[in-house]
Amino acid sequence: DTGVSQDPRHKITKRGQNVTFRCDPISEHNRLYWYRQTLGQGPEFLTYFQNEAQLEKSRLLSDRFSAERPKGSFSTLEIQRTEQGDSAMYLCASSFGDTTGEQYFGPGTRLTVT
Amino acid sequence: GIQVEQSPPDLILQEGANSTLRCNFSDSVNNLQWFHQNPWGQLINLFYIPSGTKQNGRLSATTVATERYSLLYISSSQTTDSGVYFCAVVSGANNLFFGTGTRLTVIP
Repeated sequence: DTGVSQDPRHKITKRGQNVTFRCDPISEHNRLYWYRQTLGQGPEFLTYFQNEAQLEKSRLLSDRFSAERPKGSFSTLEIQRTEQGDSAMYLCASSFGDTTGEQYFGPGTRLTVT
Repeated sequence: GIQVEQSPPDLILQEGANSTLRCNFSDSVNNLQWFHQNPWGQLINLFYIPSGTKQNGRLSATTVATERYSLLYISSSQTTDSGVYFCAVVSGANNLFFGTGTRLTVIP
C-alpha cells in the first residue's frame, strides 16, 4: 500500500495561467475527494467522485475549476485563469466502500499564484 | 451546515506532560476522524472514531455521539507531537467538515 500520492508537490504560477494537479488514490479505493486548505484554516471540501462519477461539488468550486476521474483511478484538478486567491494547499483524499469510510490524505500540492 | 469547534486553539506543553483536546459538533455524525498535520502539511490519520473509545500507544480518543463531542488524549508528550490537530466529521453528506484545529507546541 503506497498511500495517496499527489503531483506536483509545489507549483508557482503567474496570475491568469492554467494549472493542473494530479492525484493517485490508494489502489482499491473507489471514492476520491478534493479539498483546499488556506493558511490557518482547516481543509474545505471541493468535490467528490465515486468511481468515475463526480457526485458532489462545493459552492467553492467556481466555473474556473474542473475535476475529472476518467477511468475511476487517478484524478486531475484543473484551475483556469488562476487568481491570487487560488493560492492554497490542494489536498486529495480517498476512501473505500459505499458509505462514508475512513479518508486517507495525500501530501498535497501547494499552489502559489504571483 | 454542521459546525465543528475545537478547543483550545493553542496549547504549549513541556515534554512529558499530558493533554486533552476537545471537539464539539452541532449535529449527529456518521463519521469522525482525528488527524495530525505535520509541518510539511501532511494529514496523518490518528483515529476513525464515530463513537466509543480507541487507544493507540500514547494516544487515545473517545467520542460521545449522543452528547456531540470527542476528546483526544495525548500522554507523555514528545516534541514530535507538535503540529496542528484536526477533528473532522461527516454529517449527512459524503465529505469531511473540519474544525479550525488545535496548534500544539511541545517544548523540551
